[in-house]
Amino acid sequence: NAGVTQTPKFRVLKTGQSMTLLCAQDMNHEYMYWYRQDPGMGLRLIHYSVGEGTTAKGEVPDGYNVSRLKKQNFLLGLESAAPSQTSVYFCASSYSMGRSGGSIPYEQYFGPGTRLTVT
Amino acid sequence: GQNIDQPTEMTATEGAIVQINCTYQTSGFNGLFWYQQHAGEAPTFLSYNVLDGLEEKGRFSSFLSRSKGYSYLLLKELQMKDSASYLCAVFGGATNKLIFGTGTLLAVQP
Repeated sequence: NAGVTQTPKFRVLKTGQSMTLLCAQDMNHEYMYWYRQDPGMGLRLIHYSVGEGTTAKGEVPDGYNVSRLKKQNFLLGLESAAPSQTSVYFCASSYSMGRSGGSIPYEQYFGPGTRLTVT
Repeated sequence: GQNIDQPTEMTATEGAIVQINCTYQTSGFNGLFWYQQHAGEAPTFLSYNVLDGLEEKGRFSSFLSRSKGYSYLLLKELQMKDSASYLCAVFGGATNKLIFGTGTLLAVQP
Protein backbone atom coordinates (compact mmCIF):
# COMPACT_ATOMS: atom_id res chain seq x y z
CA ASN A 1 0.00 0.00 0.00
CA ALA A 2 1.27 3.46 -0.90
CA GLY A 3 -0.94 5.07 1.78
CA VAL A 4 -1.50 8.76 1.03
CA THR A 5 0.43 10.35 -1.82
CA GLN A 6 0.60 13.98 -2.93
CA THR A 7 1.59 15.51 -6.24
CA PRO A 8 3.67 17.64 -6.69
CA LYS A 9 6.16 17.74 -3.80
CA PHE A 10 7.39 21.24 -4.57
CA ARG A 11 6.07 24.11 -6.68
CA VAL A 12 6.85 27.76 -7.24
CA LEU A 13 4.07 29.95 -8.63
CA LYS A 14 3.85 33.58 -9.60
CA THR A 15 1.06 35.71 -8.20
CA GLY A 16 -2.13 35.16 -10.18
CA GLN A 17 -1.22 31.73 -11.55
CA SER A 18 -3.39 28.73 -10.90
CA MET A 19 -2.57 25.15 -9.97
CA THR A 20 -4.08 21.94 -8.67
CA LEU A 21 -2.66 19.74 -5.94
CA LEU A 22 -3.56 16.08 -6.17
CA CYS A 23 -4.02 13.75 -3.21
CA ALA A 24 -4.58 10.03 -3.60
CA GLN A 25 -5.19 7.31 -1.00
CA ASP A 26 -5.45 3.57 -1.41
CA MET A 27 -6.89 2.68 2.02
CA ASN A 28 -10.57 3.01 1.02
CA HIS A 29 -11.03 5.86 3.53
CA GLU A 30 -14.29 7.79 3.45
CA TYR A 31 -12.90 11.05 4.80
CA MET A 32 -10.24 13.21 3.21
CA TYR A 33 -8.78 16.56 4.30
CA TRP A 34 -6.57 19.37 3.10
CA TYR A 35 -4.47 21.32 5.63
CA ARG A 36 -1.94 24.07 5.43
CA GLN A 37 0.86 24.43 7.92
CA ASP A 38 2.62 27.71 8.62
CA PRO A 39 5.25 28.49 11.26
CA GLY A 40 3.63 29.17 14.63
CA MET A 41 0.15 28.47 13.30
CA GLY A 42 -0.06 24.71 13.43
CA LEU A 43 -2.17 22.68 11.03
CA ARG A 44 -5.23 24.54 9.75
CA LEU A 45 -8.02 22.80 7.89
CA ILE A 46 -8.80 24.24 4.45
CA HIS A 47 -11.51 21.90 3.11
CA TYR A 48 -12.57 18.37 3.78
CA SER A 49 -14.77 15.65 2.35
CA VAL A 50 -16.85 12.98 4.08
CA GLY A 51 -17.46 10.98 0.92
CA GLU A 52 -17.27 10.86 -2.85
CA GLY A 53 -18.99 13.85 -4.38
CA THR A 54 -19.15 15.83 -1.13
CA THR A 55 -16.97 18.67 0.15
CA ALA A 56 -17.16 21.13 3.04
CA LYS A 57 -15.31 24.22 4.19
CA GLY A 58 -12.79 24.10 6.97
CA GLU A 59 -11.17 26.84 8.99
CA VAL A 60 -9.41 28.74 6.16
CA PRO A 61 -11.22 28.00 2.84
CA ASP A 62 -10.89 31.37 1.09
CA GLY A 63 -8.89 31.28 -2.12
CA TYR A 64 -9.14 27.49 -2.47
CA ASN A 65 -11.54 25.08 -4.13
CA VAL A 66 -11.73 21.29 -3.90
CA SER A 67 -13.30 18.36 -5.66
CA ARG A 68 -13.81 14.70 -4.77
CA LEU A 69 -15.01 13.02 -7.95
CA LYS A 70 -13.53 9.66 -6.97
CA LYS A 71 -13.33 8.19 -3.47
CA GLN A 72 -9.58 7.79 -3.64
CA ASN A 73 -8.75 11.29 -4.90
CA PHE A 74 -9.10 14.74 -3.38
CA LEU A 75 -8.01 17.76 -5.43
CA LEU A 76 -7.12 21.19 -4.06
CA GLY A 77 -7.20 24.11 -6.50
CA LEU A 78 -5.78 27.59 -6.29
CA GLU A 79 -7.45 29.73 -8.97
CA SER A 80 -5.34 32.86 -8.50
CA ALA A 81 -2.36 32.30 -6.25
CA ALA A 82 -1.32 34.95 -3.73
CA PRO A 83 1.89 35.24 -1.66
CA SER A 84 -0.22 34.59 1.48
CA GLN A 85 -0.77 31.07 0.14
CA THR A 86 2.91 30.24 0.47
CA SER A 87 2.82 27.28 2.82
CA VAL A 88 3.25 23.55 3.24
CA TYR A 89 0.09 21.70 2.25
CA PHE A 90 -0.79 18.32 3.74
CA CYS A 91 -3.49 15.96 2.64
CA ALA A 92 -4.89 13.38 5.04
CA SER A 93 -7.49 10.63 5.03
CA SER A 94 -9.33 8.62 7.66
CA TYR A 95 -12.06 6.12 8.33
CA SER A 96 -15.35 7.33 9.71
CA MET A 97 -17.00 6.06 12.86
CA GLY A 98 -18.62 2.69 12.26
CA ARG A 99 -16.58 1.88 9.17
CA SER A 100 -13.17 1.51 10.67
CA GLY A 101 -13.27 -2.28 10.85
CA GLY A 102 -11.57 -2.27 14.22
CA SER A 103 -9.14 0.49 13.37
CA ILE A 104 -9.25 3.78 15.25
CA PRO A 105 -11.97 5.92 13.70
CA TYR A 106 -10.91 9.34 12.55
CA GLU A 107 -7.18 8.55 12.87
CA GLN A 108 -5.74 10.61 10.07
CA TYR A 109 -3.01 9.35 7.77
CA PHE A 110 -1.01 12.16 6.23
CA GLY A 111 0.65 12.52 2.86
CA PRO A 112 4.26 13.73 2.59
CA GLY A 113 3.29 17.36 1.94
CA THR A 114 3.60 19.87 -0.87
CA ARG A 115 5.81 22.89 -0.38
CA LEU A 116 4.31 25.79 -2.32
CA THR A 117 5.96 29.17 -2.79
CA VAL A 118 4.09 32.06 -4.40
CA THR A 119 6.26 34.98 -5.52
CA GLY B 1 -15.32 28.35 20.51
CA GLN B 2 -12.75 25.65 20.12
CA ASN B 3 -9.31 26.00 21.59
CA ILE B 4 -6.33 23.73 22.21
CA ASP B 5 -3.34 24.88 24.26
CA GLN B 6 0.06 23.27 24.59
CA PRO B 7 3.50 24.67 25.40
CA THR B 8 5.43 26.03 22.46
CA GLU B 9 8.81 24.54 23.29
CA MET B 10 10.38 22.13 25.76
CA THR B 11 13.90 20.87 26.33
CA ALA B 12 14.87 17.58 27.94
CA THR B 13 17.93 15.39 28.38
CA GLU B 14 18.60 12.10 26.67
CA GLY B 15 17.49 9.21 28.86
CA ALA B 16 15.11 11.36 30.93
CA ILE B 17 11.30 11.53 31.06
CA VAL B 18 9.28 14.45 29.70
CA GLN B 19 5.59 15.26 29.98
CA ILE B 20 3.88 17.42 27.36
CA ASN B 21 0.55 18.87 28.47
CA CYS B 22 -2.49 19.75 26.40
CA THR B 23 -5.69 21.48 27.49
CA TYR B 24 -8.72 21.79 25.27
CA GLN B 25 -12.14 23.34 24.96
CA THR B 26 -14.20 21.90 22.11
CA SER B 27 -17.83 21.42 21.16
CA GLY B 28 -18.35 17.70 21.57
CA PHE B 29 -15.64 15.11 22.06
CA ASN B 30 -14.91 11.95 20.12
CA GLY B 31 -11.31 11.40 21.03
CA LEU B 32 -7.92 13.04 21.52
CA PHE B 33 -4.93 12.28 19.33
CA TRP B 34 -1.23 12.86 19.70
CA TYR B 35 0.91 13.10 16.58
CA GLN B 36 4.67 13.35 16.15
CA GLN B 37 6.11 15.51 13.41
CA HIS B 38 9.81 15.63 12.55
CA ALA B 39 11.05 18.74 10.76
CA GLY B 40 10.13 18.68 7.08
CA GLU B 41 8.00 15.56 7.41
CA ALA B 42 4.34 14.67 7.74
CA PRO B 43 2.69 14.11 11.13
CA THR B 44 2.54 10.48 12.22
CA PHE B 45 0.09 8.96 14.70
CA LEU B 46 1.28 8.28 18.25
CA SER B 47 -1.75 7.70 20.44
CA TYR B 48 -5.51 7.96 20.83
CA ASN B 49 -7.58 8.45 23.99
CA VAL B 50 -11.36 8.45 24.08
CA LEU B 51 -11.91 7.32 27.69
CA ASP B 52 -10.36 8.72 30.86
CA GLY B 53 -7.11 7.17 31.93
CA LEU B 54 -3.70 6.18 30.73
CA GLU B 55 -2.86 4.47 27.44
CA GLU B 56 0.63 2.99 27.29
CA LYS B 57 2.50 2.08 24.14
CA GLY B 58 6.16 1.29 24.65
CA ARG B 59 8.12 4.38 25.68
CA PHE B 60 5.11 6.60 25.03
CA SER B 61 2.01 7.00 27.23
CA SER B 62 -0.95 9.33 26.93
CA PHE B 63 -3.40 10.36 29.62
CA LEU B 64 -6.87 11.87 29.34
CA SER B 65 -9.24 13.57 31.76
CA ARG B 66 -12.41 14.56 29.92
CA SER B 67 -13.90 16.39 32.90
CA LYS B 68 -10.82 18.63 33.07
CA GLY B 69 -10.31 18.97 29.33
CA TYR B 70 -6.74 17.82 29.85
CA SER B 71 -4.31 15.38 28.35
CA TYR B 72 -0.61 14.72 28.54
CA LEU B 73 1.91 12.77 26.51
CA LEU B 74 4.67 11.09 28.51
CA LEU B 75 7.89 10.12 26.81
CA LYS B 76 10.27 7.87 28.72
CA GLU B 77 13.92 6.98 28.12
CA LEU B 78 14.28 9.89 25.76
CA GLN B 79 16.37 9.40 22.66
CA MET B 80 17.85 12.00 20.33
CA LYS B 81 15.44 10.87 17.61
CA ASP B 82 12.53 12.01 19.81
CA SER B 83 13.43 15.62 18.98
CA ALA B 84 10.32 16.68 17.05
CA SER B 85 7.08 18.60 17.30
CA TYR B 86 4.25 16.91 19.20
CA LEU B 87 0.76 17.83 18.12
CA CYS B 88 -2.32 17.48 20.30
CA ALA B 89 -5.58 17.20 18.34
CA VAL B 90 -9.19 16.76 19.39
CA PHE B 91 -11.99 15.29 17.30
CA GLY B 92 -14.95 17.45 18.14
CA GLY B 93 -17.56 14.94 17.02
CA ALA B 94 -20.26 17.26 15.77
CA THR B 95 -18.11 18.73 13.03
CA ASN B 96 -16.24 15.71 11.57
CA LYS B 97 -13.11 17.77 12.01
CA LEU B 98 -9.87 17.25 13.90
CA ILE B 99 -8.77 20.45 15.68
CA PHE B 100 -5.01 20.72 16.11
CA GLY B 101 -3.01 22.62 18.66
CA THR B 102 0.00 24.56 17.43
CA GLY B 103 2.37 21.85 18.63
CA THR B 104 5.16 21.54 21.18
CA LEU B 105 8.70 21.53 19.81
CA LEU B 106 10.76 19.14 21.92
CA ALA B 107 14.54 19.35 21.85
CA VAL B 108 16.40 16.39 23.33
CA GLN B 109 19.93 17.25 24.40
CA PRO B 110 22.83 14.86 25.09
